Amino acid sequence: AQSVTQLGSHVSVSEGALVLLRCNYSSSVPPYLFWYVQYPNQGLQLLLKYTSAATLVKGINGFEAEFKKSETSFHLTKPSAHMSDAAEYFCAVNAYSSASKIIFGSGTRLSIRP
Amino acid sequence: DAMVIQNPRYQVTQFGKPVTLSCSQTLNHNVMYWYQQKSSQAPKLLFHYYDKDFNNEADTPDNFQSRRPNTSFCFLDIRSPGLGDAAMYLCATSSEQGSNSPLHFGNGTRLTVT
Repeated sequence: AQSVTQLGSHVSVSEGALVLLRCNYSSSVPPYLFWYVQYPNQGLQLLLKYTSAATLVKGINGFEAEFKKSETSFHLTKPSAHMSDAAEYFCAVNAYSSASKIIFGSGTRLSIRP
Repeated sequence: DAMVIQNPRYQVTQFGKPVTLSCSQTLNHNVMYWYQQKSSQAPKLLFHYYDKDFNNEADTPDNFQSRRPNTSFCFLDIRSPGLGDAAMYLCATSSEQGSNSPLHFGNGTRLTVT
C-alpha cells in the first residue's frame, strides 16, 4: 500500500528565507506524487506533480520539488518565502496500480515571519 | 472559468437531522470524489464515482451516502449526522482515474452539527 509522511506539522520561516517542506513516500510501484496548498476555508489547489518525466518539477508560485528515488523523498522548496505563502501544504501519492485513490499526508502548516 | 462549485459554503444541521451537500462541476470530468477534512487533518476519502460507477471506501460509515444523477452533479447525504461528523466536506474531480490526473477541488462546505 502507498502512503506519504510529512515531517513537521508546522514550519516557520522568515520572509525571504528558504522554504523546505519534507515529504517521504512509500509505494511498491512507481508513484505519482503531488503537492497541494490549502488556504484557510478553501479547497486544495495543485502546486505541482511528479509523473516520472523529470525528477525536478517546477510548480506555481515559485515552488519546486525534487523526486529522489534513493531517498523515497519528494521535498518541496522555494528559494525565498513571501507572506502570501502562509498556508497548509499537503503531499499526496497515487500509485500507478491504484484505482483513483489519492492518499494525502497529514499536512504541514507554513508560517511566515515578517 | 471551468470549476468545481460546492453549495452551501456553510451548513448547520441538528443532531440526527438529515443533510445534503451539493457539488457541481463545469470541467466535464469523469471522476468525482467526496473527502472529509477535520480540523488540522488531511482530507480523508469517503467515496468516488467513475462515471456512474460508485466506489465506497471500506471505512466510510453507512451514515454517508452519495448520488451522482449526471456528469455535472454529485451529492453527499448524511442520514443522521452526529457531533463527530462536523467537518469540512470537499468535493473534487479528475479527468481520469488511476493516472497522474490531479484533483480539482471546490472550496468546501463546512458542516456544523448542533
